[in-house]
Order: sequence, then C-alpha cells, then structure tokens
Amino acid sequence: DTAVSQTPKYLVTQMGNDKSIKCEQNLGHDTMYWYKQDSKKFLKIMFSYNNKELIINETVPNRFSPKSPDKAHLNLHINSLELGDSAVYFCASSHRGSSPLHFGNGTRLTVT
Amino acid sequence: ILNVEQSPQSLHVQEGDSTNFTCSFPSSNFYALHWYRWETAKSPEALFVMTLNGDEKKKGRISATLNTKEGYSYLYIKGSQPEDSATYLCAPLYNQGGKLIFGQGTELSVKP
Repeated sequence: DTAVSQTPKYLVTQMGNDKSIKCEQNLGHDTMYWYKQDSKKFLKIMFSYNNKELIINETVPNRFSPKSPDKAHLNLHINSLELGDSAVYFCASSHRGSSPLHFGNGTRLTVT
Repeated sequence: ILNVEQSPQSLHVQEGDSTNFTCSFPSSNFYALHWYRWETAKSPEALFVMTLNGDEKKKGRISATLNTKEGYSYLYIKGSQPEDSATYLCAPLYNQGGKLIFGQGTELSVKP
C-alpha cells in the first residue's frame, strides 16, 4: 500500500532516446510535483500540478513534459535525453497549501 | 533568487549527545516552513510544518522552533541515536500553493 510510487527505480539509457517516468499516489492529494536532485544534492522543483492543472513550471528544457491524466497520476516524459539529464528524479504529492509533501522513492536516471 | 541556508552542512556526534541545526531564509512574504528527514537510499519524510511566529513543534526527541520575523528556524535533537543519522532539510514556502525552496540540508551522523 505504497503512498507515492514511481517507476522505474533505475533507468539507464543512451543519449538521444526518449523516456518516461511514471508516478502514482493513493493518498487522495490534489497536488503532485516533480523534483530533480541536482549534483549538489539540492532538491529543485520542476513542475507542479493541482487537480490536473499545471501550476508551477520552472525553467526546465522543453524536452521535459509532464502529463497528468488524473489527480492521482503525474508522469514525466523526457525527449532527446542528454548526459546532463542524469540525476535522481522525485515525485511528490500533497494537499495544496502548507501540508507536507509525501515523496516517492526516486528514479535514478543515467544517460550514457 | 531566494537563498535558504542551513548550518552546519554536516555534523558528527556521539550517541546520547544533543544537537541543533539552523535554517535561515528570507522572511518577506513567508507562508510556512517545512522540515524533512532524509535517510540515505530513502525518500525525504516530513517532520514538521510550521506557520506561526514563535511556533514550537515536537515529535519524540526532535523539536523545532520558528522565528518568521527574522527568518530562521532551529531543529533540536535530544539524546541523539544512531538511527537519527540522516540529512535534515528545511524548506520555506512563500505563498499558499507555491513552491518549496529547499536548503542543501544538514547531514547528521551519530556514532554509537
């Protein structure tokens, strides 16, 4: 009964490929997020959706496209992968406002 | 660019020691402050969400205080145990439904 689950856990792929990471939450939250853990281990927000509506869209390359088919799912699609995209990507969810975030276990993406 | 600073960056203590860390953040337009605990190979877990100046929250041996006027929060751990070893992240929120700005964390190591 995992609260926030993301798949896959590990993703190794070559430059130029297109890949997706999936995220699902069963907490009934209305807001979902994608965070990237950068090389200095900072967690940086990429996108946030509230009730399937994009509310935060940080300055990320437009090769990254989030898709939220419903409130419980937020997927991240990445086109034309580059070496610099290698990182750990975390999905999270919360109720909108100041409620705490619940994180998935992360997806370690390695681009070779 | 909002600057969230946590100090120290890392801390090594003996089992039984009490310790504290600091989170400093811009106080203008503050809405809430989150604290998270992040164990190696796991995902961040929420400890506290604090909103009011003077707030003090406690969870077992861990407590936190908040000063919204001067823009800082302290996290205290009483009688540290090896299982407290983790990175502790703070993240202020600047408007309801806005984005959390994570600090780089304080890495705590507790030796038995």
